[in-house]
Amino acid sequence: AQKVTQAQTEISVVEKEDVTLDCVYETRDTTYYLFWYKQPPSGELVFLIRRNSFDEQNEISGRYSWNFQKSTSSFNFTITASQVVDSAVYFCALSEHSGYSTLTFGKGTMLLVSP
Amino acid sequence: EPEVTQTPSHQVTQMGQEVILRCVPISNHLYFYWYRQILGQKVEFLVSFYNNEISEKSEIFDDQFSVERPDGSNFTLKIRSTKLEDSAMYFCASSVGGQSYGYTFGSGTRLTVV
Repeated sequence: AQKVTQAQTEISVVEKEDVTLDCVYETRDTTYYLFWYKQPPSGELVFLIRRNSFDEQNEISGRYSWNFQKSTSSFNFTITASQVVDSAVYFCALSEHSGYSTLTFGKGTMLLVSP
Repeated sequence: EPEVTQTPSHQVTQMGQEVILRCVPISNHLYFYWYRQILGQKVEFLVSFYNNEISEKSEIFDDQFSVERPDGSNFTLKIRSTKLEDSAMYFCASSVGGQSYGYTFGSGTRLTVV
């Protein structure tokens, strides 16, 4: 069965600090997809990234970067020079190739960025 | 950019009442989903729907729940005889062809059962 673990429940940083959110996953499939979503206080789920299991290249998008390592089953998310607007709950999620594309979410990490 | 639209944004209902949560998926999407998030907890899969039938459902999705695509545009989640523990944020999502194409989530309906 698939499982996603986000061990960090809450992280507090001061603006401009870099912060890394950890995500460890478990799956028996060789083909799978990993996601990160942001949930701001308003409650909606904002898509950040999707990565398939065959693409281990790290990705950078502005202040955001993702490090995918199959060897350790991790898909970590780094925010560089954090800002107050980054304060939110961040969810990592996994979808296996088999089945109908359901997402299994981690419990989320609450990021608090103070000025 | 196309959106998944959910109505209402917030619904309050009395315990034992039936509620219908409505979603309008993106028009060319073929896969539809409902997820639930109890306050402060993780997002949990309820049900997926494809080709006018349920394709997969979780243990949470018991006989109290049902889904329907009544008119080719709306996708509804019905909860019969609501319980206090049904209070949660309910998210609808749609996908054009499965996880390789990604999902689009609606902004959610916050259901409060009193």
